[in-house]
Amino acid sequence: SQKIEQNSEALNIQEGKTATLTCNYTNYSPAYLQWYRQDPGRGPVFLLLIRENEKEKRKERLKVTFDTTLKQSLFHITASQPADSATYLCAPTGANNLFFGTGTRLTVIP
Amino acid sequence: DAGVTQSPTHLIKTRGQQVTLRCSPISGHKSVSWYQQVLGQGPQFIFQYYEKEERGRGNFPDRFSARQFPNYSSELNVNALLLGDSALYLCASSLTGGWSSGNTIYFGEGSWLTVV
Repeated sequence: SQKIEQNSEALNIQEGKTATLTCNYTNYSPAYLQWYRQDPGRGPVFLLLIRENEKEKRKERLKVTFDTTLKQSLFHITASQPADSATYLCAPTGANNLFFGTGTRLTVIP
Repeated sequence: DAGVTQSPTHLIKTRGQQVTLRCSPISGHKSVSWYQQVLGQGPQFIFQYYEKEERGRGNFPDRFSARQFPNYSSELNVNALLLGDSALYLCASSLTGGWSSGNTIYFGEGSWLTVV
């Protein structure tokens, strides 16, 4: 069965630095990969989607890469701010299924 | 515009009881999907419905069922509740069914179910 791993449960970084979150998947060939942000007690909020034929996608301070050979996606937040503190979920997505990783809890320290 | 709305927001049930959770998608969205999120874990896919038909089902027992109504709202039913069913149940809507077209899905705030 498919397995999705996100680098660490928690990541602490200093304000202004770049946060890099990793998502690895096995036994799965997703056509897309999505990233979501989830704040405590709230539903996930869509951030970015990258297709299997795209290497990189950017949106403001966010950047996502997708390497189908390595079966890995990297999610970067540049110039991080305390307001970026949240749990970030990756979701490899197939035609009729979508699987979430367990998430990485990011804390940006002022 | 209203987002995805779910009800109730919180509820407590006893083991063995049945529960019905409700979801109204964003206006114009025809697909609804359901997820279970246990504390500390990512959401787990339960069902997807599009145009009132089931399009996908996750690895959940038959105690879990759902349906979609002509107005595209949806209900998730769980029978014979177990303690392990305690979780946040999330509903999400998207314009069309399936994810092959790269649909963005929008989540509601969820229904917190506690089984005692």
